[in-house]
Amino acid sequence: KQEVTQIPAALSVPEGENLVLNCSFTDSAIYNLQWFRQDPGKGLTSLLLIQSSQREQTSGRLNASLDKSSGRSTLYIAASQPGDSATYLCAPKPGQNFVFGPGTRLSVLP
Amino acid sequence: NAGVMQNPRHLVRRRGQEARLRCSPMKGHSHVYWYRQLPEEGLKFMVYLQKENIIDESGMPKERFSAEFPKEGPSILRIQQVVRGDSAAYFCASSPGTGGETQYFGPGTRLLVL
Repeated sequence: KQEVTQIPAALSVPEGENLVLNCSFTDSAIYNLQWFRQDPGKGLTSLLLIQSSQREQTSGRLNASLDKSSGRSTLYIAASQPGDSATYLCAPKPGQNFVFGPGTRLSVLP
Repeated sequence: NAGVMQNPRHLVRRRGQEARLRCSPMKGHSHVYWYRQLPEEGLKFMVYLQKENIIDESGMPKERFSAEFPKEGPSILRIQQVVRGDSAAYFCASSPGTGGETQYFGPGTRLLVL
């Protein structure tokens, strides 16, 4: 059974800092891994999707890496902004459905 | 191309009533997934459906919960005789296929059981 953990559980940083969110998963047999963003009371916004054959994906200020063999993924956010404040969810996909981590709650202070 | 639509966005029910949550997948998507997010918990998979078929319901509670995805119309998640512990956000996602493809999530239905 796939277990997903995310560290840290919460993070508060001043605007402009670069930061790293960590995700670990127990079963390396995955099709892909996706990072989502969830704003309070809202749905999920897809950020980056990394296929199992890929090592990283980049979109703007976001960069996600995947080390399938060690069961780890990181999300790097450069030059953080207050608008980045949200909960970030890591979700590997071992079968037909995603298995979500508990999330990292990020606050970027102006 | 409209995204995944869910309605209602908010639903209030009293204990013992029935709740019906609807999900219209993106155009051209024939795979629908339901997830539940309990308060202060992560999202958990409930059920995966294709048109007229339940493919995987391993995450569904054994009683009171059912799901369908008819040939025509939206997918329905039905909760009978709701209890306070059913209060949660229910998210629907759709995809054109499975495996390495992503899923597109709807805005969710927030169910409150009084």
